[in-house]
Amino acid sequence: GQQLNQSPQSMFIQEGEDVSMNCTSSSIFNTWLWYKQDPGEGPVLLIALYKAGELTSNGRLTAQFGITRKDSFLNISASIPSDVGIYFCAGHLTSGTYKYIFGTGTRLKVLA
Amino acid sequence: KAGVTQTPRYLIKTRGQQVTLSCSPISGHRSVSWYQQTPGQGLQFLFEYFSETQRNKGNFPGRFSGRQFSNSRSEMNVSTLELGDSALYLCASSLGDRHTGELFFGEGSRLTVL
Repeated sequence: GQQLNQSPQSMFIQEGEDVSMNCTSSSIFNTWLWYKQDPGEGPVLLIALYKAGELTSNGRLTAQFGITRKDSFLNISASIPSDVGIYFCAGHLTSGTYKYIFGTGTRLKVLA
Repeated sequence: KAGVTQTPRYLIKTRGQQVTLSCSPISGHRSVSWYQQTPGQGLQFLFEYFSETQRNKGNFPGRFSGRQFSNSRSEMNVSTLELGDSALYLCASSLGDRHTGELFFGEGSRLTVL
């Protein structure tokens, strides 16, 4: 199925470091969503973005909706061990359809 | 406000059997979608229901089917199970309109086919 390009695929970082990941698409989205998934659990919605250029924060997380509406990035500041998990982006299409397209995921590992 | 509830959380079946998974969306949400998640393929879209009608369908064989009830609860069924159907099946709900895009997932149903 269709998936968004998400990078990096995985990353190891030291506790306290900042993390950045991004998603790009050939499609224009109305909404960008960012999720975190722990092993064996369902994805948990972290941030929702609705407008091009929008910058939204949720605690140590900051995400932006790209100006072209075809990309988004997520930053995590001052990472802690519980940030470990897989982060997914998702784009919401509503023009001519109602569909969510997901990124391939970024696996984050934090070294204490 | 209760989240998306999926049952059962875990189940083991054998090849050839069928399985039915259930999903109760967040109250007020009219759209329910289903996804299959495997380590190699990531999140794959199965289908989406809105007001009891299938609005979108992914590229899965006809063995995968679903339905939505008038209270927005949804079920998905997989018939003639194959080993490759082993996966985490995720249900997600949203308001379903074109302006509010937040999508909320349940904990998933982990299916193992032996």
